[in-house]
Amino acid sequence: GEDVEQSLFLSVREGDSSVINCTYTDSSSTYLYWYKQEPGAGLQLLTYIFSNMDMKQDQRLTVLLNKKDKHLSLRIADTQTGDSAIYFCAVPSGGSYIPTFGRGTSLIVHP
Amino acid sequence: GAVVSQHPSRVICKSGTSVKIECRSLDFQATTMFWYRQFPKKSLMLMATSNEGSKATYEQGVEKDKFLINHASLTLSTLTVTSAHPEDSSFYICSAKDRGLDDTQYFGPGTRLTVL
Repeated sequence: GEDVEQSLFLSVREGDSSVINCTYTDSSSTYLYWYKQEPGAGLQLLTYIFSNMDMKQDQRLTVLLNKKDKHLSLRIADTQTGDSAIYFCAVPSGGSYIPTFGRGTSLIVHP
Repeated sequence: GAVVSQHPSRVICKSGTSVKIECRSLDFQATTMFWYRQFPKKSLMLMATSNEGSKATYEQGVEKDKFLINHASLTLSTLTVTSAHPEDSSFYICSAKDRGLDDTQYFGPGTRLTVL
């Protein structure tokens, strides 16, 4: 099955850029997702990228996809304290639309 | 759009009792809903896939007689934890897939279950 890996923690200063990385094993996924989870809450779909794209930009968010290396990243520009949350990378296995989630990266933004 | 609600948000129950959690898609029809369990500092574990009008498909290791799922309509799925034990205490999250659109799942806010 799909294996999705993320680093568990990232600490940045307010105003800096944050880059959250994710690697996966199954390269046949059509969509790849980033979800955000704030404390005590469910998951919020942040953005997604089609597998035939290399990059997608949405305001402060930039998603980069390197299919050759099976690497997905999420860049948050001008990180704010409100961005502090857990970010999950989610990648469906080949032939299925049900994603496998990484363990989540806790982003801590300090002044 | 694409809002999913869960009720209750928190529930505390005694060991041995049953608890029902509701998941509703508020502004779209969901032929498929998913139930996840999230452990502290861990990722989401898919428990089962719930299809409207048919039996749920459970993931390996999930007891279907303990976690009863009913998907009676296009906007409602329920998860009942039967004969709850303290080890069932967890954060349960549902998600729904809009039948009209792509494969994106939209998540509910989660239900914190504490079994005493």
